[in-house]
Amino acid sequence: NAGVTQTPKFRILKIGQSMTLQCTQDMNHNYMYWYRQDPGMGLKLIYYSVGAGITDKGEVPNGYNVSRSTTEDFPLRLELAAPSQTSVYFCASSYGQGGSSPLHFGNGTRLTVT
Amino acid sequence: GNSVTQMEGPVTLSEEAFLTINCTYTATGYPSLFWYVQYPGEGLQLLLKATKADDKGSNKGFEATYRKETTSFHLEKGSVQVSDSAVYFCALSDQSGGSYIPTFGRGTSLIVHP
Repeated sequence: NAGVTQTPKFRILKIGQSMTLQCTQDMNHNYMYWYRQDPGMGLKLIYYSVGAGITDKGEVPNGYNVSRSTTEDFPLRLELAAPSQTSVYFCASSYGQGGSSPLHFGNGTRLTVT
Repeated sequence: GNSVTQMEGPVTLSEEAFLTINCTYTATGYPSLFWYVQYPGEGLQLLLKATKADDKGSNKGFEATYRKETTSFHLEKGSVQVSDSAVYFCALSDQSGGSYIPTFGRGTSLIVHP
């Protein structure tokens, strides 16, 4: 059982470039999330989805876009990379219903923008 | 809105010492509470959870009790090991606008020396 899989593990981008961070889960979870983790700052929610075709903004959505065409996949798009987007990005999923379902995390993508 | 406050780290202990990591929360409803652990280079993984007042979550020798009267969920372990060195995150899940969106604390780094 693979769980939540993120690719790539590492990436270096130049300012202004674009890229897509991939995330897929095989647990048939309805809820999926994208977080960024900056040193000492915990996790900040970027976007989330409660099911295929439904997405919503989190705390820090500026500079990012998402789509959710299938239950399994939830890619995160950076259109014009900026140094402020240097971070570690985590995708997570959960069953979602009732609030007591824990999140399952991928191993992260470490992104550097120079 | 919801928030989670954790004690700042790093917490540095000798092996076999007693561990407490404080966590307090603010929520508008009746949240579920979680502790996650993050080992170096990995994503977060669930350590334990509690879904209602006075519940005690436990796993791998760690415990935390849901205290509604003090809005706290402190993490404890009687005897830490070097392998417990990691970052620990307190989190809550509460219904917001019909969706259960998790809120995380900033994380507390634990370093255990032999």
